[in-house]
Amino acid sequence: AQSVTQPDIHITVSEGASLELRCNYSYGATPYLFWYVQSPGQGLQLLLKYFSGDTLVQGIKGFEAEFKRSQSSFNLRKPSVHWSDAAEYFCAVGERGGNTGKLIFGQGTTLQVKP
Amino acid sequence: EPEVTQTPSHQVTQMGQEVILRCVPISNHLYFYWYRQILGQKVEFLVSFYNNEISEKSEIFDDQFSVERPDGSNFTLKIRSTKLEDSAMYFCASSETRVGETQYFGPGTRLLVL
Repeated sequence: AQSVTQPDIHITVSEGASLELRCNYSYGATPYLFWYVQSPGQGLQLLLKYFSGDTLVQGIKGFEAEFKRSQSSFNLRKPSVHWSDAAEYFCAVGERGGNTGKLIFGQGTTLQVKP
Repeated sequence: EPEVTQTPSHQVTQMGQEVILRCVPISNHLYFYWYRQILGQKVEFLVSFYNNEISEKSEIFDDQFSVERPDGSNFTLKIRSTKLEDSAMYFCASSETRVGETQYFGPGTRLLVL
C-alpha cells in the first residue's frame, strides 16, 4: 500500500537559517509528488509538485524540492527561512495511472521560526 | 484568485445527528474531493467525485457518508448519524482534471461531535 512518511513532527529553525523537511514515500512506481503548506485558519496551499523530468523542482515562496528515486524521497528545502514560513507542511503522493487523483498525505511537519 | 470555500468553518453537533458540510469548488473545475484530518493525525482521503458520481471512496467512507452536487456550484458532504470519531477537520478540494493536477483546498470545516 502507498504511504508517506514525514519523520519530523516538529522543527524549529532560526530566521535566516536554511531548512530541509524530509519526506519518504512507499509506492510501486514513481508517483506524483506534492508539497502543501497550511497556515493557521487556511486551507492547504500547493508549494510545488513533481511529475517527471528535472528532479529538482522550484516552487513558490523560494522553496524547492528534490526527487531522489534511489531513496524514495522528496525533501523540501529553503535556503533562508522567513518568520512567515511558520506553518504546517504536508508531503503527498498521487497515483500514476489512477483514475481519481486522490492524494495520500504524510503526517505533516510543523515549522516554528525563531527570531 | 479563485478559491474553494467551505461553510461552516466550525460545527458542533450531538452524536447521532445529521450534519451537512458545504463546499463551493472553483467554478471551472470538474473533479471534487473530500478529505479529513483527525486531530494529530494525517490528512486522509475520503471520496472523489466526477460527473455526478463517486469515482473512488476510501474505507472510511461508509454508508453514513454521502456526497452530492445539488446544483452547479455546491458540493456537499453529509454524515447521516454522527459518531464521536467523526470529529475532525474536513477539507474540500477541487481540480480541473484529475491525475497529477493541482488540487485546490478549502480552509476546512472543523466538526466536533459531542
